[in-house]
Amino acid sequence: QLQLQESGPGLVKPSETLSLVCTVSGGSISSITNYWAWVRQSPGKGLEWIGNIYYSGSTYYSPSLKSRVTISVDTSKNQFSLKLSSVTAADTAVYYCASGYSYNRIFYYMDVWGRGTTVTVSS
Amino acid sequence: EIVLTQSPGTLSLSPGERATLSCRASQSVSSLYLAWYQQKPGQAPRLLIYGTSSRAAGIPDRFSGSGSGTDFTFTISRLEPEDFAVYYCHQYGSERWTFGQGTKVEIK
Repeated sequence: QLQLQESGPGLVKPSETLSLVCTVSGGSISSITNYWAWVRQSPGKGLEWIGNIYYSGSTYYSPSLKSRVTISVDTSKNQFSLKLSSVTAADTAVYYCASGYSYNRIFYYMDVWGRGTTVTVSS
Repeated sequence: EIVLTQSPGTLSLSPGERATLSCRASQSVSSLYLAWYQQKPGQAPRLLIYGTSSRAAGIPDRFSGSGSGTDFTFTISRLEPEDFAVYYCHQYGSERWTFGQGTKVEIK
């Protein structure tokens, strides 16, 4: 049974880079039928999709965040990560990692989610 | 960007009653790419419905979805105590995936 767990600092200073890691257990991050995603949730903006990555390293980012986001995968550690640069208070949110179903490299629904981690941007 | 507008914002119902939630898209969404999630306080979203009408693994058949184009509906046929939560629709068919703002189903 696939399980995901987010980890990383809960407090980030403005203008710095937010870095989170998602550890995958109960399955392989190299699975061809899965993709890996980051979603965040803030009171002001609700649920917001950040981006996806496939085990091959192919990435797909939200156009609104694309200039600041990097998602990468580490197959040796069965982890994927999120980096969000130049953060502001608007980036304060609960960050979720998730796994979705992929077929023929088309990404479908996200069906397994981590518990989420709260990140606050403040000096 | 496809904007998803959910209505009503809050639905006050009693256990045993039927809940009908609406999700309207600003542009047409392929029925393959519309999902519904349930979220309870302090928990991650839980997938209930994908592809407009397919129930996710382990989801009871009192939950159902329908619709096409720009109008989608999510129904709980008979509310159980554990169904009181916030429900989100989600489209994953465009370049920018988006979520609705949520409908809260509360106990009347």
